[in-house]
Amino acid sequence: GAVVSQHPSRVICKSGTSVKIECRSLDFQATTMFWYRQFPKQSLMLMATSNEGSKATYEQGVEKDKFLINHASLTLSTLTVTSAHPEDSSFYICSALPGQLTNYGYTFGSGTRLTVV
Amino acid sequence: TQLLEQSPQFLSIQEGENLTVYCNSSSVFSSLQWYRQEPGEGPVLLVTVVTGGEVKKLKRLTFQFGDARKDSSLHITAAQPGDTGLYLCAGAGGGADGLTFGKGTHLIIQP
Repeated sequence: GAVVSQHPSRVICKSGTSVKIECRSLDFQATTMFWYRQFPKQSLMLMATSNEGSKATYEQGVEKDKFLINHASLTLSTLTVTSAHPEDSSFYICSALPGQLTNYGYTFGSGTRLTVV
Repeated sequence: TQLLEQSPQFLSIQEGENLTVYCNSSSVFSSLQWYRQEPGEGPVLLVTVVTGGEVKKLKRLTFQFGDARKDSSLHITAAQPGDTGLYLCAGAGGGADGLTFGKGTHLIIQP
């Protein structure tokens, strides 16, 4: 149980365009989902906490107008990178907390490799 | 801001050797998790430790949570090439907070 699906796995977009990444909890409801960014050879950095039915909470230094987060249902959160630039190229990973902390811990999606050209 | 110092960042050893990865913080965490991540994929949970002093074993992997819940270690016995990968420790502050990750340990086990 506790599977998180992330789509797409890879995307290449032109500079200035927007890209939407989806994160779905397949077999549980997730009131809270998290978005992380990982640059090559580095660890994961929390970008924002996505709350179902309310505004996302962004970490310091993350532009909320550039990284739009929508958590419209208990099983779906989306991250839209607006007006993408090459420096936004990164590996984006979502995770979800199945209601409360269980033996499953935080379940992660398989990540989205974004390349902005 | 909670920080997790993970060491070593890179480790290359021969098959059959033992190794220990450390994760230290000045902050107390409600739980600490260890993940393994393959290139191009999301992290996969290995273990969650919750209680101070807790020790958990997963085959040749032994995980320990410090008594004060500020540090943790991962010990691998008789490492095998299949253990090669990126190991990440991550601390949870409690409630529905996101995780604070260590910088990761890139482990290479040479046959």
